Amino acid sequence: DQQVKQNSPSLSVQEGRISILNCDYTNSMFDYFLWYKKYPAEGPTFLISISSIKDKNEDGRFTVFLNKSAKHLSLHIVPSQPGDSAVYFCAASRNQFYFGTGTSLTVIP
Amino acid sequence: DARVTQTPRHKVTEMGQEVTMRCQPILGHNTVFWYRQTMMQGLELLAYFRNRAPLDDSGMPKDRFSAEMPDATLATLKIQPSEPRDSAVYFCASGLVLGTGANVLTFGAGSRLTVL
Repeated sequence: DQQVKQNSPSLSVQEGRISILNCDYTNSMFDYFLWYKKYPAEGPTFLISISSIKDKNEDGRFTVFLNKSAKHLSLHIVPSQPGDSAVYFCAASRNQFYFGTGTSLTVIP
Repeated sequence: DARVTQTPRHKVTEMGQEVTMRCQPILGHNTVFWYRQTMMQGLELLAYFRNRAPLDDSGMPKDRFSAEMPDATLATLKIQPSEPRDSAVYFCASGLVLGTGANVLTFGAGSRLTVL
C-alpha cells in the first residue's frame, strides 16, 4: 500500500517558468517531509525538507509547501532551469522513510 | 566529503545465481536502508537497520532475499537464487536518525542488477 503518492509521472516546463511537483500522503503521523532529486545513473540527492510544524520552507529557487489538512505537499521551482531536469522523489518520514514513485521533470530550453 | 559507497555498480548474472550487494554507510550514521527502484513502485523499501539491528524487512521476499549488517561499516543484501524479476537498481542509504523529526538520508550511487 503506497503511503506516499506522486500522481504525475512526468512534467515538462519551459525554461524560466515555474515547475510545480505534487505529492500526497496518507499517514497523518508523518512528521518530516523531504524532496530528493535524481539524475540518471546516480543515487537520489537531498534537495529540501519541511517539518510538519511548518507550512513553507524556502531555499533559493526551491520552495516546499505543506498542507497537512489535505495531506499534500508540493515543490515549486522558480525559475526553472535546464539543469533541473531530473526525477524528483518526495518522501515522508517518522523513523522510517517512505518514498513516492517519482516525477520526471523536463525543463525545455 | 562523506558518502555512501555501494558495490558492485553493475552486475549481470544468470537466473539461479547468488548475488551479494554491499554498502558502506557514512561513518557515524546509525541507520541503514535498502531500497529497490522500480518503475511501478518508485523507491521500494526492502529493509532497514538501526544500530546494526534489523528493524523492518517486511518489504523483502523472505524466501530469496536476506539483509545483514555484520559491522557498522558494512551492510549486505543477498539474493539467492536470483530471478529475472529481481532486475532493478538497488540503493543503500544511511542517516543519523535520532527519534522522529529532522532526519535526512544520504544515498549511494546504486547497484544495477540484471538477471538473465
